[in-house]
Amino acid sequence: AQSVSQHNHHVILSEAASLELGCNYSYGGTVNLFWYVQYPGQHLQLLLKYFSGDPLVKGIKGFEAEFIKSKFSFNLRKPSVQWSDTAEYFCALETNTGRRALTFGSGTRLQVQP
Amino acid sequence: DAGVTQSPTHLIKTRGQQVTLRCSPKSGHDTVSWYQQALGQGPQFIFQYYEEEERQRGNFPDRFSGHQFPNYSSELNVNALLLGDSALYLCASSPSKTGGIETQYFGPGTRLLVL
Repeated sequence: AQSVSQHNHHVILSEAASLELGCNYSYGGTVNLFWYVQYPGQHLQLLLKYFSGDPLVKGIKGFEAEFIKSKFSFNLRKPSVQWSDTAEYFCALETNTGRRALTFGSGTRLQVQP
Repeated sequence: DAGVTQSPTHLIKTRGQQVTLRCSPKSGHDTVSWYQQALGQGPQFIFQYYEEEERQRGNFPDRFSGHQFPNYSSELNVNALLLGDSALYLCASSPSKTGGIETQYFGPGTRLLVL
């Protein structure tokens, strides 16, 4: 069975600091990878996705993520965070079985201090 | 466009009771998935409905059941509630004919507390 691990449970940064959130997955086949964000009081929203091709993908609001197949990783990055980035971030995968169902990590709570 | 809507927003039940949660998908979406998000955890896939049938299911017991109506709205039913069923229940909808799972929209969720 597949699984997703997010090792940073709570991250506190000051504005303008750089961000990197770790995500590792376990699955023997091909996966599609996603980062979702949940702002306080709002719905889960798709931040970015990786299906194939260029392993460096760009999403909304200046976020990007890099897929490293050899490390089974899909880390999220942002060069300079803002107070408005305070949210919970979830890494997720979809296997190539066509199930159209996501397996999520446990999430990372990011707190950006002004 | 109202997006995905869920009702009720909050619910309190006692152990052993039954509960029904409701979801209206985004306009144009015909596929509905349900997820359970326990406190401090990521969402876990419960099941997915398409054409009024359960198309696939996650690792949840039979106490969890669902239904999809001809207008694509959906219900999640949980019987014999346990304390561990306390969670945020998320509904997500997507169109079957266009795009993949990235077209999925999540609702605000129903927070269920079992006492």
